[in-house]
Amino acid sequence: EVQLVESGGGLVQPGGSLRLSCAASGFTFSSYEMNWVRQAPGKGLEWVSYISSSGSTIYYADSVKGRFTISRDNAKNSLYLQMNSLRAEDTAVYYCAREYDSSGYPLGPFDYWGQGTLVTVSS
Amino acid sequence: AIRMTQSPSSLSASTGDRVTITCRASQGISSYLAWYQQKPGKAPKLLIYAASTLQSGVPSRFSGSGSGTDFTLTISCLQSEDFATYYCQQYYSYLRTFGQGTKVEIK
Repeated sequence: EVQLVESGGGLVQPGGSLRLSCAASGFTFSSYEMNWVRQAPGKGLEWVSYISSSGSTIYYADSVKGRFTISRDNAKNSLYLQMNSLRAEDTAVYYCAREYDSSGYPLGPFDYWGQGTLVTVSS
Repeated sequence: AIRMTQSPSSLSASTGDRVTITCRASQGISSYLAWYQQKPGKAPKLLIYAASTLQSGVPSRFSGSGSGTDFTLTISCLQSEDFATYYCQQYYSYLRTFGQGTKVEIK
């Protein structure tokens, strides 16, 4: 059974840092691209970042570029999101999501999601 | 970034109704469009990808259509468990974007 379990959320002051983790199991983690998606309280979904299966290709949403860093450790079946210079508007539930390998196109939809971890940025 | 616009933002419907949600992309995205369902306090669930392909295990009352810039999600006979918020998402570009969501509520 595919499982994605996020951890590392919590309360942090504006300007602070936090590192989120996503532990994957039930599939060959090193074969899948992964993403982070967030959802502010009462708001819609916002894609945050993408990392290829090898970690060699990375993309960020403009809203987090230069502040957040995505990474992965395939030996540990883990995905990470280092969040620096946090702002109030970064308050959200953060989900990790596996990218489905659909029919030869390099990108795909997100077929498995974790339960999310809440990050609250407030003084 | 590609902008995804859903309509309506919310709708009220009764069990058994046919419901249609539309999603428009700001530029052509071929058929690289997915639909997700999200219930309160839960992670989103993939319903449809490639605009019209039903994800395994999803009931056949859900269907999707469209290509290019205009897409639709149809629920043919609304069930009680379908009351939720629905999002479209393009995966044509590495910079993925979601629609703002459509909340389907009980009339």
